[in-house]
Amino acid sequence: GAGVSQSPSNKVTEKGKDVELRCDPISGHTALYWYRQSLGQGLEFLIYFQGNSAPDKSGLPSDRFSAERTGGSVSTLTIQRTQQEDSAVYLCASSMNSGANVLTFGAGSRLTVL
Amino acid sequence: AQSVTQPDIHITVSEGASLELRCNYSYGATPYLFWYVQSPGQGLQLLLKYFSGDTLVQGIKGFEAEFKRSQSSFNLRKPSVHWSDAAEYFCAVGARSQGNLIFGKGTKLSVKP
Repeated sequence: GAGVSQSPSNKVTEKGKDVELRCDPISGHTALYWYRQSLGQGLEFLIYFQGNSAPDKSGLPSDRFSAERTGGSVSTLTIQRTQQEDSAVYLCASSMNSGANVLTFGAGSRLTVL
Repeated sequence: AQSVTQPDIHITVSEGASLELRCNYSYGATPYLFWYVQSPGQGLQLLLKYFSGDTLVQGIKGFEAEFKRSQSSFNLRKPSVHWSDAAEYFCAVGARSQGNLIFGKGTKLSVKP
């Protein structure tokens, strides 16, 4: 696609429920990144993919968080048993490859956990 | 540890005034440096980047930034601010060999008429 597409744009869920956030990167971009943006905290790196592999999962805050990417394209970030502290905007970005470093961001998915 | 510091959380300038947003980094390797802007409810848009070469880089919307290795800084400047520049600005650092970027916590810019 022309840009990075994320869905849903807004998600409200109850504590303890699982959520899935989707990212569709720019066509041809082999690297894909997930960040979390909490109020006043800037952007927190979660995970990145080169192709379907995730060389760096160091930012995932707990084992409730997981991500996958299939076909070198769409990625899904899954949060299990959501907690209130998971409330944030989840941003996805893609780049031509992991060495290029020029990231193009989507508009984000705002998650609210009640 | 790798980090990016943006010392100013919130800056207010008058329309037409000059602007400088500060960014300092701590990074072991030769850094790639970036400035992104985020308008309310939007994703981040790249303003400019520095990889190598001329230390003064020009970006979109009339912004420029200067890389000063001795000061570990990459400050963003604009000679005359427009009301539409009101947004949050993020400095980021990365490297050729590293996939992700490390971001600062951002500086929110407000513009007075």
